[in-house]
Amino acid sequence: DQQVKQNSPSLSVQEGRISILNCDYTNSMFDYFLWYKKYPAEGPTFLISISSIKDKNEDGRFTVFLNKSAKHLSLHIVPSQPGDSAVYFCAASDAAGNKLTFGGGTRVLVKP
Amino acid sequence: DAGVTQSPTHLIKTRGQQVTLRCSPISGHKSVSWYQQVLGQGPQFIFQYYEKEERGRGNFPDRFSARQFPNYSSELNVNALLLGDSALYLCASSRNRGSTNEKLFFGSGTQLSVL
Repeated sequence: DQQVKQNSPSLSVQEGRISILNCDYTNSMFDYFLWYKKYPAEGPTFLISISSIKDKNEDGRFTVFLNKSAKHLSLHIVPSQPGDSAVYFCAASDAAGNKLTFGGGTRVLVKP
Repeated sequence: DAGVTQSPTHLIKTRGQQVTLRCSPISGHKSVSWYQQVLGQGPQFIFQYYEKEERGRGNFPDRFSARQFPNYSSELNVNALLLGDSALYLCASSRNRGSTNEKLFFGSGTQLSVL
């Protein structure tokens, strides 16, 4: 029972263009959403988050959009850079806040 | 300040053996969580500890246990290892118990291989 799904296992984009990563969730109790980035041999690194009371949060080149009615969120990276090549995980938590539920990840390759 | 540190970085065990993984949280963080990441999947929640007490448990068998020490470091123990326990084990810390809007900071993980 996957409560958080990332349906695209991989994404390839040209340097300078926009990367759009998608995430769907099924649990309506989730109220906080996060994106993590993971390089090989390293742990996940926090990238950006959004609370369910917002529909957009921006931090530099990264923007996360939340559509609660559709139970969908997306991460936009613009412009994409070669150093952005990594695996990106979407994660969600509920009000109890004692655990994160992760999606399966999307591997992004940014070509120079 | 040091981040979350985990030891060992790599470990090879055989089926039936027992393993202990260690984690030191970021200074000032009182909560430690453990996650299992199988190749090609996202991390799966195993345990959360806060102030030395278990505050959450994922869908893992009783072979998995953990504890938190007075200095907030933590150990994850896995008994009677199975081949399917081969995974990257991630430790994460947070300042508080984990209310909404709290980020987790992850260590680099322990790669466990069970042969």
